[in-house]
Amino acid sequence: EIVMTQSPATLSVSPGERATLSCRASQSVSSDLAWYQQKPGQAPRLLIYGASTRATGIPARISGSGSGTEFTLTISSLQSEDFAVYYCQQYNNWPPWTFGQGTKVQIK
Amino acid sequence: EVHLLESGGGLVQPGRSLRLSCAASGFTFSSYTMSWVRQAPGKGLEWVSGISGGASNTYYTDSVKGRFTISRDNSKNTLYLQMNSLRAEDTAVYYCAKAPRGQLVPFDYWGQGTLVTVSS
Repeated sequence: EIVMTQSPATLSVSPGERATLSCRASQSVSSDLAWYQQKPGQAPRLLIYGASTRATGIPARISGSGSGTEFTLTISSLQSEDFAVYYCQQYNNWPPWTFGQGTKVQIK
Repeated sequence: EVHLLESGGGLVQPGRSLRLSCAASGFTFSSYTMSWVRQAPGKGLEWVSGISGGASNTYYTDSVKGRFTISRDNSKNTLYLQMNSLRAEDTAVYYCAKAPRGQLVPFDYWGQGTLVTVSS
């Protein structure tokens, strides 16, 4: 089973600033990597798939990069609606399709 | 518009059974792989089980193999998860999730979830 490790656990950022979230895989997952956003009391929402392709309706300020074992989710200018928990998920080696433990982005 | 609505959660004693349902609408249900993903209280996401559109292929995470059974009724646009021999560690919100056409993952639409609590 591939282990996904996200860092940091919590990121404190001021509105308008840039946020950079990291996700590392215990072995290569190629570009088979997705990012999800989850707000309290809500279901997760797909943001990025294929490591860098934005899902439908996702704004351009949210971008993904990386391949192999190292991945990054960048939010270029944080808006109020971006404060949430973010999860990465690999789907290269399955089952299971494994998630990271999450990064909480909170207001500084 | 895609809509997924889970039901069937509740409080159940350890060792007992529960069946979850997920009613789907807004897309051709039989053409898409569906999955169940759970989230224990205050914890992260864990993929539990998946099933292909025609139900010919099913997938499970190791911790539920032999206890949980995923199925679907394409005539009713409904996904199911039969959970037997429930344990305290199965306590979680269970989400059903849809994959894009022709793919197993990622999950582009999710339901709002149903809470399963396993406790005596």
